[in-house]
Amino acid sequence: AQSVSQHNHHVILSEAASLELGCNYSYGGTVNLFWYVQYPGQHLQLLLKYFSGDPLVKGIKGFEAEFIKSKFSFNLRKPSVQWSDTAEYFCAVNDPPNQGGKLIFGQGTELSVKP
Amino acid sequence: DAGVTQSPTHLIKTRGQQVTLRCSPKSGHDTVSWYQQALGQGPQFIFQYYEEEERQRGNFPDRFSGHQFPNYSSELNVNALLLGDSALYLCASSSGLNIGSPLHFGNGTRLTVT
Repeated sequence: AQSVSQHNHHVILSEAASLELGCNYSYGGTVNLFWYVQYPGQHLQLLLKYFSGDPLVKGIKGFEAEFIKSKFSFNLRKPSVQWSDTAEYFCAVNDPPNQGGKLIFGQGTELSVKP
Repeated sequence: DAGVTQSPTHLIKTRGQQVTLRCSPKSGHDTVSWYQQALGQGPQFIFQYYEEEERQRGNFPDRFSGHQFPNYSSELNVNALLLGDSALYLCASSSGLNIGSPLHFGNGTRLTVT
């Protein structure tokens, strides 16, 4: 069965620092990958998604992620974080890949950005 | 505004009781998925409803059941509550079953079982 691992549980950064959050999935073949963000007190929101094509995906608010098939990874990056990026970030994969609605989530990474 | 509306926002129940949670999807959406998010964990898929039928199901016991109404709203029912059922229950709506349709999540219902 498909699973998703996020190795960083809590990351603390200062403003303007660069961010990279790790995400690995377990099952090869066709995958559809997502990053969701949950700001304090708000609902989960889609940051970006990868279905096919260019493995470097750009999302909202300056975030991007790179799909590396050989490493089963989909890491999230941002060159310069802001205090407003403080949130919990979830990586997810669609399972099965041909039908929407069922996502397998990682356990999440809490990001704290110090002003 | 999330667009997806869940009620109630908080609920406290006693072990062994039954609970019903409700979800109204975002306008224009016809598919509803339910997730359970335990403290410190990512959401876990419970099941998905489309055209008033359960289409996919995660690894949850039969105590968890659901329903979708003709107006696309949905209910999640949990019978014989256990302490371990305490969690945030999230509803997500989308349009159809296509993978290209992104999920829109509600703010969730916080269930506490004592």
